Amino acid sequence: NAGVMQNPRHLVRRRGQEARLRCSPMKGHSHVYWYRQLPEEGLKFMVYLQKENIIDESGMPKERFSAEFPKEGPSILRIQQVVRGDSAAYFCASSPSQGFPAFFGQGTRLTVV
Amino acid sequence: ELKVEQNPLFLSMQEGKNYTIYCNYSTTSDRLYWYRQDPGKSLESLFVLLSNGAVKQEGRLMASLDTKARLSTLHITAAVHDLSATYFCAVVPNTGTASKLTFGTGTRLQVTL
Repeated sequence: NAGVMQNPRHLVRRRGQEARLRCSPMKGHSHVYWYRQLPEEGLKFMVYLQKENIIDESGMPKERFSAEFPKEGPSILRIQQVVRGDSAAYFCASSPSQGFPAFFGQGTRLTVV
Repeated sequence: ELKVEQNPLFLSMQEGKNYTIYCNYSTTSDRLYWYRQDPGKSLESLFVLLSNGAVKQEGRLMASLDTKARLSTLHITAAVHDLSATYFCAVVPNTGTASKLTFGTGTRLQVTL
């Protein structure tokens, strides 16, 4: 049973470009969470999704950021018109249901130049 | 807003010594997690503490939870170099989205020979 798979592992984007981060949850997991980790800081919750639904997006910036978890395929975190402050590690976690401990992926390290 | 504070933020200790990391949080919660993160890596789940008075031990690490004091501790016994990493506690409040973790600031542990 593969773990939570994120790709790419490293992503470099120029300011103004779009970044797409993918997360395939563990088999049997229908709950996905995205977290952002700025350098030397803890992880900050961004969004919680179930298949085809956004459950809690209270941690998402109001502009430029969006997330989806379609019926088929991975969850996508999309950042439009990236700025230097978006440089961070973005972690995805999945769980089989609410209240269940989540398993984390390896993260995508986004660098905006 | 839920706040989770860890102290110390940085800990340098010699092999063989004992020490405790503290995690304080600001709201009622019966669920607290401890994670380990190596540089550039993802989070490894160490402990899940689900009730007041819970105590769990794995090797040289022991975690406890006091929900009345809103305090968790991670005790390190006879530290070894392999324990060098950053340790995070994370809390799920009793109200709000289940499984949404709020992380502490992290404690960077360096064990020297």
